[in-house]
Amino acid sequence: GAVVSQHPSWVICKSGTSVKIECRSLDFQATTMFWYRQFPKQSLMLMATSNEGSKATYEQGVEKDKFLINHASLTLSTLTVTSAHPEDSSFYICSAFDRLGNYGYTFGSGTRLTVV
Amino acid sequence: GDSVTQMEGPVTLSEEAFLTINCTYTATGYPSLFWYVQYPGEGLQLLLKATKADDKGSNKGFEATYRKETTSFHLEKGSVQVSDSAVYFCALSRSANQAGTALIFGKGTTLSVSS
Repeated sequence: GAVVSQHPSWVICKSGTSVKIECRSLDFQATTMFWYRQFPKQSLMLMATSNEGSKATYEQGVEKDKFLINHASLTLSTLTVTSAHPEDSSFYICSAFDRLGNYGYTFGSGTRLTVV
Repeated sequence: GDSVTQMEGPVTLSEEAFLTINCTYTATGYPSLFWYVQYPGEGLQLLLKATKADDKGSNKGFEATYRKETTSFHLEKGSVQVSDSAVYFCALSRSANQAGTALIFGKGTTLSVSS
């Protein structure tokens, strides 16, 4: 089946620094990539949707200058948390949707970000 | 707007007990419906799905039927195992006709099964 490789699986960074999270679709083309944020014991909140080669569409309340999303190819999308602060600590999950719709929505394994 | 409502957890069961996790939805159009499972520290795995009314999704002993008349997609399993302990999310796609639209998730239900 389809696999989305998400890295890193966990990261600890200092306040004020930036962190990049990568999601790669293996063996299929991710036309669309969704980025979610999950707080402890809560549901997944959609942050943004990105289509390959286009600017990401952000959900209301999500700062686009803080959460930079790049989807330059059909197999790679990145989320960069800029000038991270402790309140950005969370579990971030990507989800890829393939062009042909054969695999539906495939999720990465998530990234645990802790900002200290 | 579209939304998904799941029963509050946690759900605590003994091994071999019957499981039901209720899920209802509000949506315009004809959404596809999904159940995902999340094990501790991991991402989400698709458990089953249904794309139209009266469809039944099934996998690993779990079942759910798309009921348009009651806007529900309840998850059931006849005999749970300890290994089924996880968080279960009900979700819908905003429109089955718009490929690539984001999934909308319920809040998740934690299932704990003891031996």
